Amino acid sequence: DAGVTQSPTHLIKTRGQQVTLRCSPISGHKSVSWYQQVLGQGPQFIFQYYEKEERGRGNFPDRFSARQFPNYSSELNVNALLLGDSALYLCASSLTGVHGYTFGSGTRLTVV
Amino acid sequence: AQKVTQAQTEISVVEKEDVTLDCVYETRDTTYYLFWYKQPPSGELVFLIRRNSFDEQNEISGRYSWNFQKSTSSFNFTITASQVVDSAVYFCALSPKQGGSEKLVFGKGTKLTVNP
Repeated sequence: DAGVTQSPTHLIKTRGQQVTLRCSPISGHKSVSWYQQVLGQGPQFIFQYYEKEERGRGNFPDRFSARQFPNYSSELNVNALLLGDSALYLCASSLTGVHGYTFGSGTRLTVV
Repeated sequence: AQKVTQAQTEISVVEKEDVTLDCVYETRDTTYYLFWYKQPPSGELVFLIRRNSFDEQNEISGRYSWNFQKSTSSFNFTITASQVVDSAVYFCALSPKQGGSEKLVFGKGTKLTVNP
């Protein structure tokens, strides 16, 4: 079975640009969450979606948005990129969150 | 507020040594889940264990064991007879139950280096 897949794996963007990151959960998983991991830190929660509805939002500015599609895949959008948005963005899926999350390999975003 | 503290930033051991990674958490919830994840250099977070707040039994899985003590809000992780392949960053995480959101609150991680 395929695990959580994220695309692209690496991305370089310029300050002020917009970026869209994509995530396909494990088949049957209806919960998708997004995390930002800055170098040397633990992942920080950005969003959780369950059955296409937002279940939680972390302490991130409105430049960050996400959505979940009917097939449970998800996109994370970041507008007006700042240098500080450079990080590894991780997507995780779960049947329900408390069953344990399976993480993808992440998208490494570099803002220059 | 929920918080996870991993006081050990980096640990270096020699192969076959036992090593314990500490995790202390803070939460006001009576129901919560605790997790450990391993992050090798490839970047993917690998799930190791989940423990709910009502289950204080210690658990052993091969060379890995976990000691959950609710009285001290600790959930420590021990690797017995460490191997070079155990080298990675290990994260402890807390999942509170709040308003339907099931987010994970991570500690800053402990980088473990196992030298041959």
